[in-house]
Amino acid sequence: KAGVTQTPRYLIKTRGQQVTLSCSPISGHRSVSWYQQTPGQGLQFLFEYFSETQRNKGNFPGRFSGRQFSNSRSEMNVSTLELGDSALYLCASSYGGGRSYEQYFGPGTRLTVT
Amino acid sequence: GENVEQHPSTLSVQEGDSAVIKCTYSDSASNYFPWYKQELGKRPQLIIDIRSNVGEKKDQRIAVTLNKTAKHFSLHITETQPEDSAVYFCAAIVDYKLSFGAGTTVTVRA
Repeated sequence: KAGVTQTPRYLIKTRGQQVTLSCSPISGHRSVSWYQQTPGQGLQFLFEYFSETQRNKGNFPGRFSGRQFSNSRSEMNVSTLELGDSALYLCASSYGGGRSYEQYFGPGTRLTVT
Repeated sequence: GENVEQHPSTLSVQEGDSAVIKCTYSDSASNYFPWYKQELGKRPQLIIDIRSNVGEKKDQRIAVTLNKTAKHFSLHITETQPEDSAVYFCAAIVDYKLSFGAGTTVTVRA
């Protein structure tokens, strides 16, 4: 099976701009979670989608949003970028149902805000 | 929400020795505890996990133990090798939301 893929792998944006990141889960997985990884804050949960519905949300401002499509692919959007949004954004996929908790990560998108 | 603490933050071991990383969690509803290994510039990789109804699980040189009463779980790596050098993260899940520890940088000295 192909693994989790993320596009683009690298992005450079300017403060105030917006950005959209994409994540394609492992075939058959219906859950996609998004995480922000920074040296100072570690791995922080942004949100999780299952069957096109946001099932859980972390403590991030409303500038961070996401969605999931019927083929389980997910996008996350960050509006009005701030310097502090520079980070590695990781998505992880899992079956998402019952007691299937195993999450597998994509390679991440490295976002740099200047 | 769930809070996961991980110790130590750095660990240096001689090749062939054992390494132990410990984590505690706060939410008694947590029922799944994975461990991830992240090498420099790579994605976190799931290496072993344990569920709340199990006390110990082994996979070759790695093992995880869980004490639900004390709300702590540990990763044990035996016969460490240079390729074990990486950052290791513990995590706990509640309602499909994974909360991670801060990570342990493990260095295996040849």
